[in-house]
Amino acid sequence: QLVLTQSPSASASLGASVKLTCTLSSGHSSYAIAWHQQQPEKGPRYLMKLNSDGSHSKGDGIPDRFSGSSSGAERYLTISSLQSEDEADYYCQTWGTGIHVFGTGTKVTVL
Amino acid sequence: EVQLVESGGGLVKPGGSLRLSCAASGFTFSSYSMNWVRQAPGKGLEWVSSISSSSSYIYYADSVKGRFTISRDNAKNSLYLQMNSLRAEDTAVYYCARATELRAAFDIWGQGTMVTVSS
Repeated sequence: QLVLTQSPSASASLGASVKLTCTLSSGHSSYAIAWHQQQPEKGPRYLMKLNSDGSHSKGDGIPDRFSGSSSGAERYLTISSLQSEDEADYYCQTWGTGIHVFGTGTKVTVL
Repeated sequence: EVQLVESGGGLVKPGGSLRLSCAASGFTFSSYSMNWVRQAPGKGLEWVSSISSSSSYIYYADSVKGRFTISRDNAKNSLYLQMNSLRAEDTAVYYCARATELRAAFDIWGQGTMVTVSS
């Protein structure tokens, strides 16, 4: 079964970095994922597609502060130089034949 | 500007029906797969349904299969979700989202429309 696992919360100080993890279920470690940001009271916003080899393609206008990397079944989103507007929920998404799956989301708090 | 705008949400009684629309602009709608995703109050994102660019392929989440119908009109640059036999657990904000193909990331999202199922 295709499942994505995310930690419920993460926090870091203004100007610091935070690294979020999205873990693919067993047997799906080669899958690509996407990262999405959802600021409070807003719709989601596509950040990037992240492949199993760590290569990624970002959406239009996404700052260089957002980067992605991969290791085995884990997909990472690193936010550098944290800004107050980065306080949001972050969801990973993956897909198979006839199905899309979202992780449960990680709430990022900027201290 | 690439944009998706949902409409049609509202308050409906359990067992009732509602039709959501999503108007697309700023891109060649007929070249993209389209999707519906929902978010219950205080909860995460849940994929609902997907439709290929030519409507040849359609998929549903198990939670809505047999009750919801996705469709599109490429001439009108519009996506639809017909929701029947609505339940309280269908209460959510419904988003439409674009993808380059069926098995791809959702790269453009709408702002959402709220559906409340309550007596």
